[in-house]
Amino acid sequence: DGGITQSPKYLFRKEGQNVTLSCEQNLNHDAMYWYRQDPGQGLRLIYYSQIVNDFQKGDIAEGYSVSREKKESFPLTVTSAQKNPTAFYLCASSIVHGLTYEQYFGPGTRLTVT
Amino acid sequence: AQTVTQSQPEMSVQEAETVTLSCTYDTSESDYYLFWYKQPPSRQMILVIRQEAYKQQNATENRFSVNFQKAAKSFSLKISDSQLGDAAMYFCAYGQGGSEKLVFGKGTKLTVNP
Repeated sequence: DGGITQSPKYLFRKEGQNVTLSCEQNLNHDAMYWYRQDPGQGLRLIYYSQIVNDFQKGDIAEGYSVSREKKESFPLTVTSAQKNPTAFYLCASSIVHGLTYEQYFGPGTRLTVT
Repeated sequence: AQTVTQSQPEMSVQEAETVTLSCTYDTSESDYYLFWYKQPPSRQMILVIRQEAYKQQNATENRFSVNFQKAAKSFSLKISDSQLGDAAMYFCAYGQGGSEKLVFGKGTKLTVNP
């Protein structure tokens, strides 16, 4: 089955620790994205990548880092510099129809930092 | 910068009835596309429907249809014959033509009453 997987579903960390969230897709999509979702908010873009070994900052990149060594994988590291890391994190990838980028999402990871 | 506004934080509908969710957006571009996404309690984001700005015909997907008013910059979602499984957060999203990035509204929580 084609799709996007994120692991783990729930993640708990102590303050001051870096943590890496996994995102894998087997849809052969070129572009991948990371979003953060907080209660009462829409989705806010953290980073996105159009091709392997290249990525761009989104609207709230501070305190986060990413890598794109393989087309299928786009892990997100939440560093200790992120002031408020507790949130729901969604990974997505997109397929192109003409000039329209249609995004598909993984099931998400709930990160709790105490 | 483009913005997306969903003015109804919460809506409710009786099972089998019809409900319309509102979305307005602000852009100076002429080439863009719009989406409605559904996020049920599982928190998996599901693409409901897509509309390209150049298309005059409103998109439909089974019980879901949109009313796209380009001059008014309005993109409402109509759900007909509402079902209990339609209960979810619904997010409106805007994408500029040729751009991988989406801008999301803050969402509307839809409750379906039996």
